[in-house]
Amino acid sequence: DIQMTQSPSSLSASVGDRVTITCRASQSISTYLNWYQQKPGKAPKLLIYAASSLQSEVPSTFSGSGSGTDFTLTISSLQPEDFATYYCQQSYGPPLTFGQGTKVEIK
Amino acid sequence: EVHLVESGGGLVKPGGSLRLSCAASGFAFSNAWMSWVRQAPGKGLEWVGRIKSETDGGTTDYAVPVKGRFTISRDDSKNTVYLQMNSLKTEDTAVYYCTTFGKIPWGQGTLVTVSP
Repeated sequence: DIQMTQSPSSLSASVGDRVTITCRASQSISTYLNWYQQKPGKAPKLLIYAASSLQSEVPSTFSGSGSGTDFTLTISSLQPEDFATYYCQQSYGPPLTFGQGTKVEIK
Repeated sequence: EVHLVESGGGLVKPGGSLRLSCAASGFAFSNAWMSWVRQAPGKGLEWVGRIKSETDGGTTDYAVPVKGRFTISRDDSKNTVYLQMNSLKTEDTAVYYCTTFGKIPWGQGTLVTVSP
């Protein structure tokens, strides 16, 4: 099975900060990597697909990069509505595993 | 409008069964590979399993914790995917979501509680 390891597990940041979350796969997954945002009590929302493609209506402050085993989600300027938990997920092959999540909190 | 709507959750005793449904609308459901994902209270997301489209064979894959107990099926005439859950355990307690893992927004989920 492909293991997805996210770091950090949590972080505190201020509005306007640049935030970077990393995700590492235990084997190469090419660019079969999605990023999701989840707020409490809500379903996950797709932000980035195929490692670097921005889902429609997602602000351009979000970006994704990487291929193979190492991936990054960047929020260039953190907004109040961005405080949430973020998950990476590989769609290379079953089981379709998620990272453990990164909780972004207000500093 | 594009929608996924899960239903069928509830309270069930350990060892019991439950069938969840996910009704799709607004997209070509018959072409979609559908997955179920769950989230235990306060925990992260866990993939449960998926079913491919009939044109891609209609085959299923499952996560190890549910293999042999859960079955995913689909009815393309009703634009619905199902999750039959048998021999339920307390650790199956979670909100269950269906998803295409694509651009279709996830549904609101349905809560399954397994408790004596």
